[in-house]
Amino acid sequence: GAVVSQHPSRVICKSGTSVKIECRSLDFQATTMFWYRQFPKKSLMLMATSNEGSKATYEQGVEKDKFLINHASLTLSTLTVTSAHPEDSSFYICSALDRDGDQPQHFGDGTRLSIL
Amino acid sequence: AQTVTQSQPEMSVQEAETVTLSCTYDTSESDYYLFWYKQPPSRQMILVIRQEAYKQQNATENRFSVNFQKAAKSFSLKISDSQLGDAAMYFCAYSGGQGNLIFGKGTKLSVKP
Repeated sequence: GAVVSQHPSRVICKSGTSVKIECRSLDFQATTMFWYRQFPKKSLMLMATSNEGSKATYEQGVEKDKFLINHASLTLSTLTVTSAHPEDSSFYICSALDRDGDQPQHFGDGTRLSIL
Repeated sequence: AQTVTQSQPEMSVQEAETVTLSCTYDTSESDYYLFWYKQPPSRQMILVIRQEAYKQQNATENRFSVNFQKAAKSFSLKISDSQLGDAAMYFCAYSGGQGNLIFGKGTKLSVKP
């Protein structure tokens, strides 16, 4: 089955640093990837839609300059949390659609980000 | 805008019994998908079952089945012969033309031995 690898699974870093999270489709080409955020005991909320070769589309209220998304190839999308602060601590999870856009989308295992 | 509502924050079921989780949604789209996802403490998103809106027949996957009422915009999940491993958060989700998922707030299911 289709596999999405998300790395790292856990990050702990100091306030002010930037953190990059990778989302990689291992056995299929993903023209569209999604980035979600989940606070403790809450639901998943879409942050942005990442399309290969074009700028990401951000949801209302998500800071583009804070959460940089790059989708430079058909198998890799990255989310960079710039100048991270404690309020950015959360669970971030990506998902990917194949080139045909067939559902269901395939999820990575998520990244737990903790900013001290 | 599309919305997904899960009105049961928590549910409990006895092992081997049956439980139904409720979900309603709102949309003006005619073509869409509905899903139930299971999220254990590891926070992996595990697809339980999916339903294409154009299909009248309710989806089933082993012990899991749905009651899809398109006119009422209702999509409930029935878990039969509940097992201890079924304990988790369950999210109902909608996907329309944009491809992304819109999730409900989730239902925490406990299974009593």
